[in-house]
Amino acid sequence: SYELTQPPSVAVSPGQTARITCSGDALAKQYGYWYHQKAGQAPVVVIFKDSERPSGIPERFSGSNSGTTATLTISGVQAEDEADYYCQSGDSTGTSVLFGGGTKLTVL
Amino acid sequence: QVQLQESGPGLVKPSETLSLTCSVSGDSINNNYYWSWIRQPPGKGLEWIGYIYYSGSTNYNPSLKSRVTTSMDTSKNQFSLKLTSVTAADTAVYYCARGGRGYDPSGGKFYYYMDVWGKGTTVTVSS
Repeated sequence: SYELTQPPSVAVSPGQTARITCSGDALAKQYGYWYHQKAGQAPVVVIFKDSERPSGIPERFSGSNSGTTATLTISGVQAEDEADYYCQSGDSTGTSVLFGGGTKLTVL
Repeated sequence: QVQLQESGPGLVKPSETLSLTCSVSGDSINNNYYWSWIRQPPGKGLEWIGYIYYSGSTNYNPSLKSRVTTSMDTSKNQFSLKLTSVTAADTAVYYCARGGRGYDPSGGKFYYYMDVWGKGTTVTVSS
């Protein structure tokens, strides 16, 4: 089991909004990070510090954190967004790194 | 542009030691970063293995702590992973990554992230 809980899968049609949640007590004190991972590739950060977007990541990616639940929102989903998405934070003590189990985003 | 590249044997026998090296370019491992190892078993999620800080201090996943060692070679700008007594369960893609850790007083939260990753190397444990 994971200390950060994500839904295994989310499916949306192109142009719709996808929301992927990540729940865990650690998120109350730790920033959440989101990575997307396409098949055969390394993870890439799409959101850092709960809601900030690295340069080069499209504006349709946004993040939020409402206490112990972080949410990755992809507005106007495109076919190229189909990937596995992982949330990550430190654990409650700040000594270890936690990953969520991952969410497979399918663009219908 | 910072780049990380993993290298090492792609096949390790059960009970032996897995050894990997991460070569860093575009940055110095003496800079104030945490140099981490993460792995991903086939078809599964990401698992943090541990890090070595630029100062040489280390921290490991409690579930792997008894078998893991990380080290640095500043002359080669590389850091390394050793995992002992491997089994088939250690078969995975192994990634190295650069990251940071600390407290953000403006946001009132702690941060612990990995921003630059290597492409990964596949290690299979089999006789």
